[in-house]
Amino acid sequence: DQQVKQNSPSLSVQEGRISILNCDYTNSMFDYFLWYKKYPAEGPTFLISISSIKDKNEDGRFTVFLNKSAKHLSLHIVPSQPGDSAVYFCAASANTNAGKSTFGDGTTLTVKP
Amino acid sequence: NAGVTQTPKFQVLKTGQSMTLQCAQDMNHNSMYWYRQDPGMGLRLIYYSASEGTTDKGEVPNGYNVSRLNKREFSLRLESAAPSQTSVYFCASSEASTNLGEQYFGPGTRLTVT
Repeated sequence: DQQVKQNSPSLSVQEGRISILNCDYTNSMFDYFLWYKKYPAEGPTFLISISSIKDKNEDGRFTVFLNKSAKHLSLHIVPSQPGDSAVYFCAASANTNAGKSTFGDGTTLTVKP
Repeated sequence: NAGVTQTPKFQVLKTGQSMTLQCAQDMNHNSMYWYRQDPGMGLRLIYYSASEGTTDKGEVPNGYNVSRLNKREFSLRLESAAPSQTSVYFCASSEASTNLGEQYFGPGTRLTVT
């Protein structure tokens, strides 16, 4: 059973508009959530995170929202830029898991000029 | 700082051959991880090491062994490669052995088993 799900394999948006990437989780023990960005032929790089004690975390153009009751988080990118085109992975971890993260399958974002 | 380095970048093996994937980090991180990524899928944890001298199984450990040689290095060994192990392998490290804190990834090793 997949504990972290990204139900949209791909998303295409126009440059300057908002990109919204979604992630759902099933394990109520998860208390820390991260988003990673991955370009082809490179390793993932950390983008932004949120602890379960918060419902929003913002870093420049990137904002992550957490809805614990719905077990849902989303990443908003405003405004979207062509350089944001990449695969975005949602990851979740629990304090009992010694640093291990569970990853979703990723969403490929394409930002069109 | 080089961050996390992995060797080799590419490898082709025949079924039954063995090989070791090398990983090193220069960030003085305690925890290190090995993942595999298959097409269209996320990263699945193979093994991890919460600190020097300790290793533990992840989600998909069968067919693999690991060694935490010292704080810097964490190697992944395939004793008898199988076509099902064709994948991209990523090594990662993180500062904390708790769940707080991001992981830093290497560039990956693309392995093909024929």
